[in-house]
Amino acid sequence: AQTVTQSQPEMSVQEAETVTLSCTYDTSESDYYLFWYKQPPSRQMILVIRQEAYKQQNATENRFSVNFQKAAKSFSLKISDSQLGDAAMYFCAYRRVYGGATNKLIFGTGTLLAVQP
Amino acid sequence: DTAVSQTPKYLVTQMGNDKSIKCEQNLGHDTMYWYKQDSKKFLKIMFSYNNKELIINETVPNRFSPKSPDKAHLNLHINSLELGDSAVYFCASSQSGFQPQHFGDGTRLSIL
Repeated sequence: AQTVTQSQPEMSVQEAETVTLSCTYDTSESDYYLFWYKQPPSRQMILVIRQEAYKQQNATENRFSVNFQKAAKSFSLKISDSQLGDAAMYFCAYRRVYGGATNKLIFGTGTLLAVQP
Repeated sequence: DTAVSQTPKYLVTQMGNDKSIKCEQNLGHDTMYWYKQDSKKFLKIMFSYNNKELIINETVPNRFSPKSPDKAHLNLHINSLELGDSAVYFCASSQSGFQPQHFGDGTRLSIL
């Protein structure tokens, strides 16, 4: 069974600085998707970024980028130029490629990010 | 405009009652999900439906019964509510399980 581990329960960053959130996962499959979701205090689940395992190039979305290390099964999220609005719980998630509708998201335990002004 | 909408947003009730949470999506997706987020913020899949057919049924007490009247709706009915059912329940949808899942805003269920 696949598992996702986020070893940092809480992180803090100064406004305008850069922070990296860690995620590792375990799977025996070669094709899969990885995601980072953001959950602000409003409780919404917002997709931040996704990575297809078959793509070697790291995904980027504006100030958000990932460092995907397939061999090490590591998928970290880097937030550049941190803003107050980035303060939230961040969840790393895994999903299989094959299996269609059986493709549930498997979540890590989350990292609570605080942004200091 | 709302892509995935859940009602109600908050539900406070007593132990032993029966309650329902409704979910509707207007994205044209064919797959819908229910996730539970516990007090420690851990998110876990409960059910998924594809074209009104139950696909995933994780180890969930049979007091929880999902119903999908059509592709755009997935409701969750809970019988004989227990204290441990207190959580935030999220509905989500995607196209054939391949595309990213879009989440509703969650329903916070509190059992007194």
